[in-house]
Amino acid sequence: GNSVTQMEGPVTLSEEAFLTINCTYTATGYPSLFWYVQYPGEGLQLLLKATKADDKGSNKGFEATYRKETTSFHLEKGSVQVSDSAVYFCALSGTGRRALTFGSGTRLQVQP
Amino acid sequence: DTAVSQTPKYLVTQMGNDKSIKCEQNLGHDTMYWYKQDSKKFLKIMFSYNNKELIINETVPNRFSPKSPDKAHLNLHINSLELGDSAVYFCASSGEGQPQHFGDGTRLSIL
Repeated sequence: GNSVTQMEGPVTLSEEAFLTINCTYTATGYPSLFWYVQYPGEGLQLLLKATKADDKGSNKGFEATYRKETTSFHLEKGSVQVSDSAVYFCALSGTGRRALTFGSGTRLQVQP
Repeated sequence: DTAVSQTPKYLVTQMGNDKSIKCEQNLGHDTMYWYKQDSKKFLKIMFSYNNKELIINETVPNRFSPKSPDKAHLNLHINSLELGDSAVYFCASSGEGQPQHFGDGTRLSIL
């Protein structure tokens, strides 16, 4: 079946540091890949997505590239802010199945 | 305008009770979902409906029964609540080729 593996957190960074959160996946066919963000006490918000190999999703300074050869979709941001503190989820939807399979989430804490 | 709205936001009840959570979406999507987020933040699909038809039913106890009166609504009824049912339940919706939109969640606490 489908699965998503994320690096464990928490990840603690100083403001303006570079962020990488690793995500790898296992799926048959050609899944779509997503990053969702959950701020404290809130629901999940779509951060970015990529639907085919070599696509780069980007939003609010975050970006991730769909790498089929390494089955990865790592999230990066060049300069994090305190307001980026949240839990980040990598997810996929498989071919013919719209329900999302989530990674375990990575908590990011950005200190001023 | 709230795209996916769930009620109630918080639900505190005793073991053995029956409770319902309601979800409505105004996005015109044809597919709706229920996810469960446990205390470690892990999210797992429970059910999915497409145009009022059940299309995904993961290994969820029979005490959980979803109902979709129309494609804009998906409710979740839980019978005989147990301590292990304590979690945050998220409703979501999506259209063809579109990413899922999530509600703010319902935090269920069983005493």
